[in-house]
Amino acid sequence: NAGVTQTPKFQVLKTGQSMTLQCAQDMNHEYMSWYRQDPGMGLRLIHYSVGAGITDQGEVPNGYNVSRSTTEDFPLRLLSAAPSQTSVYFCASKPLGTRGTGELFFGEGSRLTVL
Amino acid sequence: KQEVTQIPAALSVPEGENLVLNCSFTDSAIYNLQWFRQDPGKGLTSLLLIQSSQREQTSGRLNASLDKSSGRSTLYIAASQPGDSATYLCAVISGDSSYKLIFGSGTRLLVRP
Repeated sequence: NAGVTQTPKFQVLKTGQSMTLQCAQDMNHEYMSWYRQDPGMGLRLIHYSVGAGITDQGEVPNGYNVSRSTTEDFPLRLLSAAPSQTSVYFCASKPLGTRGTGELFFGEGSRLTVL
Repeated sequence: KQEVTQIPAALSVPEGENLVLNCSFTDSAIYNLQWFRQDPGKGLTSLLLIQSSQREQTSGRLNASLDKSSGRSTLYIAASQPGDSATYLCAVISGDSSYKLIFGSGTRLLVRP
């Protein structure tokens, strides 16, 4: 039972480079999301999706793009990496259920360093 | 705006102690509250989910309670073990959006052998 799978686990980028963090889930969850975790800032929501073709912004969306073409996949794109995007990124998913209050499951994280 | 606070930020206890971790939130209009565990360098593992209509949930040595009127939740860990050492986070879904969890900053727990 794979759950939520993130790749890569580690990545080093130079300022201005672009890259995509991959996230896949095999639980048929409608809801998927991306968080970043920074010391002293806690977990902050970047983008989320409630189904294929539907995405919305979270608390800190600037500098990131997402798309949701399938139920299983929710990639996060950094268009032009900046040192401020150095962080640990987590993908999470859950069944929407009633009022969207299902249990949230997290991936193992992707540690990104931007030089 | 919903704010979630966890006190203390860090806690060190000897093995075998029963302990309580606290989580408070400013807006009582929540849909649910979820407790997570995070080991160093790892993702978050869901421990317990309490819906707004529930007062508590139990899983093994863990018991979480919810008091919406006072804006508080507690996570009780019975007979603590060194393997319980981790950071514990709580998160709420508030009435303004059921799609956005608001996280506390966590309590870092060390259980000494």
